[in-house]
Amino acid sequence: QQQVKQSPQSLIVQKGGISIINCAYENTAFDYFPWYQQFPGKGPALLIAIRPDVSEKKEGRFTISFNKSAKQFSLHIMDSQPGDSATYFCAASKSNDYKLSFGAGTTVTVRA
Amino acid sequence: DAGVTQSPTHLIKTRGQQVTLRCSPKSGHDTVSWYQQALGQGPQFIFQYYEEEERQRGNFPDRFSGHQFPNYSSELNVNALLLGDSALYLCASSPGLAGNTGELFFGEGSRLTVL
Repeated sequence: QQQVKQSPQSLIVQKGGISIINCAYENTAFDYFPWYQQFPGKGPALLIAIRPDVSEKKEGRFTISFNKSAKQFSLHIMDSQPGDSATYFCAASKSNDYKLSFGAGTTVTVRA
Repeated sequence: DAGVTQSPTHLIKTRGQQVTLRCSPKSGHDTVSWYQQALGQGPQFIFQYYEEEERQRGNFPDRFSGHQFPNYSSELNVNALLLGDSALYLCASSPGLAGNTGELFFGEGSRLTVL
């Protein structure tokens, strides 16, 4: 059972454009929402994370928007660069639970 | 500073065989988690080890077992391999029981193919 649903499955964006990836969850006990970036042949690496007490978090060109009432969160990649081409996973976990529940992933391709 | 290292990187087994995968955590980390990532899917939690004990387990059968050694390194064992066990097996380490309290550092994985 997929606890975190992610869309789209893939997207193509022009260099300098904005990439938007959306995730939804059902379990209201989730209180930690990280995004991981994975390049081919590599393991996932933490990109940015948010907790429900804030609605937005920005780190450089990456922004997480969080809507607690809708149980949705999204990743925005501003000024997309070819080096951003990778697979992005949203995830969620809850207090005192040691496992991350991942979405199915979004493959982002940035065209130069 | 070495990150999370896994071995082997690739291996091929046949149905019914057994496999052992190994993981050395990032320096300073004492907790190891294992995830299975099927092709085109997100990682699925298998289990986590801390202080040489299995602390939590995901929805995987008993054919999947693990161990953590005093130096914090870990092994994942899978018995009676099925075709569906073909996947990338990821090891992640963290300082303490960091599920939602901090970052998980992943290795590059062991790609298992079951024929």
